[in-house]
Amino acid sequence: KQEVTQIPAALSVPEGENLVLNCSFTDSAIYNLQWFRQDPGKGLTSLLLIQSSQREQTSGRLNASLDKSSGRSTLYIAASQPGDSATYLCAVKDAGGTSYGKLTFGQGTILTVHP
Amino acid sequence: EAQVTQNPRYLITVTGKKLTVTCSQNMNHEYMSWYRQDPGLGLRQIYYSMNVEVTDKGDVPEGYKVSRKEKRNFPLILESPSPNQTSLYFCASSGWASSTDTQYFGPGTRLTVL
Repeated sequence: KQEVTQIPAALSVPEGENLVLNCSFTDSAIYNLQWFRQDPGKGLTSLLLIQSSQREQTSGRLNASLDKSSGRSTLYIAASQPGDSATYLCAVKDAGGTSYGKLTFGQGTILTVHP
Repeated sequence: EAQVTQNPRYLITVTGKKLTVTCSQNMNHEYMSWYRQDPGLGLRQIYYSMNVEVTDKGDVPEGYKVSRKEKRNFPLILESPSPNQTSLYFCASSGWASSTDTQYFGPGTRLTVL
């Protein structure tokens, strides 16, 4: 059964810092990995999707990498801003067996960027 | 605008009173699913559907039913709600390209069962 772990559980940084969020998964049979953002009480917004054949994806100040063989992904946020404060969720889309198409989520990293 | 809509957004009900949470998507997606989100447990899949009339159980299906009579709609039915079904529920949809398709999520339904 796929398990996804995110470290750290919470992170508080001053504005302007570069930061890294970590995600690890146990089963490398995946189609893709997605990073989502969730604001309090709101839905999930997709930030980046990395296909299993890719190594990284970039969008603005965000860069996500994927090392499928070691079961790891990182989300790099450059020059953090208070508006980046949210919960960041990592999810993998399983490729194998009866779990086809299912997303397995990590517990999330709660990010606070203070002015 | 591409979107997944859910209704109602908030619901307070009592034990045993049947309810339905609706979900609709306008992107002609084949794949739809329901998740629940609980503190400390994260997001867990309840049911999913790969196309019309094709549904299957996720990780936590007990106490829930779904149907997929039309491609755009995927309602979640609680026949006899119980307090342990108090949670934040999300509907999601995606295409079937598997490696490239982003999952789109609805805004969530916060359900309280008294």
